[in-house]
Parts: sequence; C-alpha cells; structure tokens
Amino acid sequence: SSELTQDPAVSVALGQTVSITCQGDSLRSYYANWYQQKPGQAPVRVIFGKNIRPSGIPDRFSVSSSGDTGSLTITGVHAEDEADYFCSSTDSSGNHVVFGGGTKLTVL
Amino acid sequence: QVQLVQSGSELKKPGASVKLSCRTSGYIFDNFGINWVRQAPGQGLEWMGWINTRTGNPTYAQGFTGRFVFSLDTSIRTAYLQIISLKPEDTAVYYCVRKKDLLDYWGQGTLVTVSS
Repeated sequence: SSELTQDPAVSVALGQTVSITCQGDSLRSYYANWYQQKPGQAPVRVIFGKNIRPSGIPDRFSVSSSGDTGSLTITGVHAEDEADYFCSSTDSSGNHVVFGGGTKLTVL
Repeated sequence: QVQLVQSGSELKKPGASVKLSCRTSGYIFDNFGINWVRQAPGQGLEWMGWINTRTGNPTYAQGFTGRFVFSLDTSIRTAYLQIISLKPEDTAVYYCVRKKDLLDYWGQGTLVTVSS
C-alpha cells in the first residue's frame, strides 16, 4: 500500500483549471515531486520541490502545499495534458522513495 | 545530454531468471544513485530500491528482497537488475531512474513478461 494517497481519476474541461492532490504524513517534512505519464511512455518529471519546473515544462503547471497535502495545479488545461500523474516523495523514515497511486486526468 | 538506455523486452518462463541493463551517459556516473521502479500492467509505480553508484551498496524496498539483485559495472556506466525465480506476477515494465535529491531522468523501461 502507498503512503501517499491520490484520487484515482479527475476530469476537467478544456481550458479550465484542475488540481490534483497528494496526501501523506511524509509531506509534512518533504516536498511532493510530480510526474506525468502518457500511455506507453516512461514518466516525466513535471514539477518538483518548491515549484521548480524542468526546462520544457509549461508554466501552466504549478504546485502548492499545506500540511500533509501537496497539490499540482494545471491552469488552462490543454488536450495534451491528459495523462496519469504520480506524486512521489521520501517516506517518513527519510530513507525510501514512495509514490502515490496515480491520478488519471481526463480532459473533456 | 543525460540518457538512461535500457535493454529490450524479455519473455521468460516461470522459474527462469532475467538480467536487465541500464546504460547511462551524459553525466558523472557516481554523482547520482540508480533507482529501480516497477509498473505492472495498468498499475501504478512501485519503488524497488536503489544502488549507490559510489559504493555499490544496494538498498531494497520491502517486497523486493531475496529475488531481486541490483548491481553495477562502473567501467561502462551501467546498472543491472537481476530477477531470480521469475513469477507471473513479475510481469511488468521496469524502469531505471537517476536520483540525487529526486528521481529525475528515467530510462525508457524494459517490459518483462513471465508466462508459460
């Protein structure tokens, strides 16, 4: 079982804003890192730490956190944002990596 | 540029073994650990553990002890994952991933299918 909890599925209309959440005790101490995975492809990091986007990731992706919950927000969703999104962090021991179960984002 | 290139798909019978490779380039090899992540068909990501590329010391996640072995050949900047006594439930895509503070660059994945 995952120490990070995500909603299994979220849907959003094209051009609207959506937030995907990740909850776990370890997020009180560590940032959530976010990965996007499209069918048949390896995950790609989209945002990590305190709102750091790798080059090539559009600025419509942002993060926030509060207590034990981290959130990935996509402002003005594009059709190509439809994908699975996974959060990841360090577990409460500080030694191991943990993943959320993933959220399937559907763009309507 | 940073690249992690994994070996090709494998089809194995139950009870067999398999050794996957992850060849790296574009960065200083021993500045980053190599992690392994499993993704069963239609499922999420599972962290299997990692290997310290400076010391060769492996760390295995719960559920991945005994039949899973991480190793290195530092001379060719390559990490390996060996799975012993394969079971049908080992059918999955296996990713190698570079990590220092976070998992950043991923290999393309290797599909292992275990079927009689």
